[in-house]
Amino acid sequence: NAGVTQTPKFQVLKTGQSMTLQCAQDMNHNSMYWYRQDPGMGLRLIYYSASEGTTDKGEVPNGYNVSRLNKREFSLRLESAAPSQTSVYFCASSHGTINYGYTFGSGTRLTVV
Amino acid sequence: RKEVEQDPGPFNVPEGATVAFNCTYSNSASQSFFWYRQDCRKEPKLLMSVYSSGNEDGRFTAQLNRASQYISLLIRDSKLSDSATYLCVVNGIINTGKLIFGQGTTLQVKP
Repeated sequence: NAGVTQTPKFQVLKTGQSMTLQCAQDMNHNSMYWYRQDPGMGLRLIYYSASEGTTDKGEVPNGYNVSRLNKREFSLRLESAAPSQTSVYFCASSHGTINYGYTFGSGTRLTVV
Repeated sequence: RKEVEQDPGPFNVPEGATVAFNCTYSNSASQSFFWYRQDCRKEPKLLMSVYSSGNEDGRFTAQLNRASQYISLLIRDSKLSDSATYLCVVNGIINTGKLIFGQGTTLQVKP
C-alpha cells in the first residue's frame, strides 16, 4: 500500500556536491515523472519516463540527469548542485497513456547552500 | 500564454460559504481534466476527475466547457479543512500521459 516512495525527505547540500534522489512505485505504473516546485512557479516537469527504458526531457532539465532503473524505480541526479536547485522535488507515476491522473510521492526538500 | 491558467487567489471565505474556481487551458485537443488538492508542504493529491457532462463528489462539483476551454470547481458548504491550494490539471501531448499543472488557487476558509 506504499504507492510512491521518495528518499530522502530532506537534504542540505553544498554548492558543487552531487546527489541522487530516489523514487520507487509499487503500483505497476508504466510512466514516471520528476517535478520541482518553487514558490510562484507551480510544478515544473524536469524529466519523465513514458515507459521502462525511455526517458525524455521536460520543461527544466538543465543540471539534472535521470535513470529509469527498472519499471519500479526512477532516480534523479544532480551532478553539481547549485543554489538555484533549492526546491521541493516530487516524483510521480501514472499508468501512462490512460489518464487516471498521477500519484505523487511525499517530496524531497532540497537546500543548496 | 500559459497552457493552464488559474487565478492564484487567495480566496478567503467564511465557513459554510460556496466558492468557485475557474481554470482555462490552451490546447483544444486536451481530453483529460483533473482537480488536485495540495496542502501546505505536502504532495498534490487527486481530488476528482472532470468529465464532459460534469460530475459531483459530495460538496464538490466539477464542470467542463470545451467550447470555451475552461474548467470549474465549485465547493459548497466550505469547511475549515478545505483550506488548501487547488491545482487545475490538463493532459499535455496526447497519448504520452503527460499532465500540465496550473499554478494553483489558494483557498482559506475562516471560522
